[in-house]
Amino acid sequence: DGGITQSPKYLFRKEGQNVTLSCEQNLNHDAMYWYRQDPGQGLRLIYYSQIVNDFQKGDIAEGYSVSREKKESFPLTVTSAQKNPTAFYLCASSIRGQVFTNYGYTFGSGTRLTVV
Amino acid sequence: QQQVKQSPQSLIVQKGGISIINCAYENTAFDYFPWYQQFPGKGPALLIAIRPDVSEKKEGRFTISFNKSAKQFSLHIMDSQPGDSATYFCAASRDSGGYQKVTFGTGTKLQVIP
Repeated sequence: DGGITQSPKYLFRKEGQNVTLSCEQNLNHDAMYWYRQDPGQGLRLIYYSQIVNDFQKGDIAEGYSVSREKKESFPLTVTSAQKNPTAFYLCASSIRGQVFTNYGYTFGSGTRLTVV
Repeated sequence: QQQVKQSPQSLIVQKGGISIINCAYENTAFDYFPWYQQFPGKGPALLIAIRPDVSEKKEGRFTISFNKSAKQFSLHIMDSQPGDSATYFCAASRDSGGYQKVTFGTGTKLQVIP
C-alpha cells in the first residue's frame, strides 16, 4: 500500500543534541512538508519542498533543517538551536500544486519528540 | 490575516446527535477549505473539502456549510457515532507563488458518548 512512513514513532533528545526524523513516501508525490503539532496550536509549517534539491522555510523554520536529495525522502533535523523541540512532528506529501484537489495532503503517523 | 479561527476547542455530543464545528478566516485570497480528521497517535486525514463558489457540500454524514460573505465555514456531523471521536481541523489554502499554502485551525476535540 502507498503511504508515508515516519520513524521513529517516539524519540528522546538530550539537551544540546541534534536529532533527525525520517520521512519516506512511496506515493510518487512531488511535494513534501513538515508540520509541528502542539496542543491548542494546530499544525504549523516548518519546511516544505516542491521538488528534489529544493526546499523552502515555513512559518517556524528556526532551529530546524531539512534536505531533499531523493523524491521519496524528506528528513528533518531538529538542531540544538531549537529551544522548545518537544512536540508531535508530522510529515505530509501532496501532488505538486494540487493541495486544493480532493487529494489534499497525505500525512504520516507522526514522531513524538521529547527533550529529556 | 493568515489565521483560521476554529471553535469550540472541545465538544461532547450524545450518540445520534449533531456535531457542529465552526471556522472563520480573514484572508479573501483563500480558495480551498478542507477539513481533516485526526485520531490519537495518528496523522490527520482529509475528510471533506469545499471551494468558495459552493455554499454546501455533503458526503455521507459529513456536511460543510460555507458562507463566503461572512468568511465562515462549518462542519456538521449528522447522527454522530462514538467512532467519530477524534480531533477535527479546518484549514484554508491559497496559491503562494505556485505553492498552495495551507493554514490550519487550532483543532476541535470531539467526544461522542453512547
